[in-house]
Amino acid sequence: GQQLNQSPQSMFIQEGEDVSMNCTSSSIFNTWLWYKQDPGEGPVLLIALYKAGELTSNGRLTAQFGITRKDSFLNISASIPSDVGIYFCAGQPISNFGNEKLTFGTGTRLTIIP
Amino acid sequence: SQTIHQWPATLVQPVGSPLSLECTVEGTSNPNLYWYRQAAGRGLQLLFYSIGIDQISSEVPQNLSASRPQDRQFILSSKKLLLSDSGFYLCAWSKGAGTGNTIYFGEGSWLTVV
Repeated sequence: GQQLNQSPQSMFIQEGEDVSMNCTSSSIFNTWLWYKQDPGEGPVLLIALYKAGELTSNGRLTAQFGITRKDSFLNISASIPSDVGIYFCAGQPISNFGNEKLTFGTGTRLTIIP
Repeated sequence: SQTIHQWPATLVQPVGSPLSLECTVEGTSNPNLYWYRQAAGRGLQLLFYSIGIDQISSEVPQNLSASRPQDRQFILSSKKLLLSDSGFYLCAWSKGAGTGNTIYFGEGSWLTVV
């Protein structure tokens, strides 16, 4: 099925650094979601965005719904060891409205270097 | 509050044996239910989607089947497992159509076919 373009695929950073990742699509979306998956567990919802231009924070996390409705980014400030994991974006294309299935990104694997 | 639980958490099965993974949701009624598969280090692949009892949509042709005998119960099955069925299986739910499409995941089930 359709997947979103999520980048980067992986990141290796030092503790304390800021992190930025994004998702883009050729389709217009009416919802953007960001999830984090710890090893061996199910993804957990971090932030949900429902309006173009919306900027939402959750602690050290900030996510934005792009004005064009075709992209979204997630920033993590002052990374800590528990930020390690795989981050997924997900969204519902306008063309898919009424169908509740989400489209997922391919994931960004975050590793913190000691 | 709503909760989702799937079991077993880990399963090692021989090729050709049957499979049954179960998932239940509590604290909500008439949810949409999903089964995803995640190969090691990869993204999420939607396998099945259900909007109601005995209403199942299959997203990809495969060796697996799904059933929803009760409103909040979703079962993933196979009559004869293949090596390629190995992976991390995730059950998920969302609210019914027209009420938002944020998906919430279960803890996941590791299946190793040997």
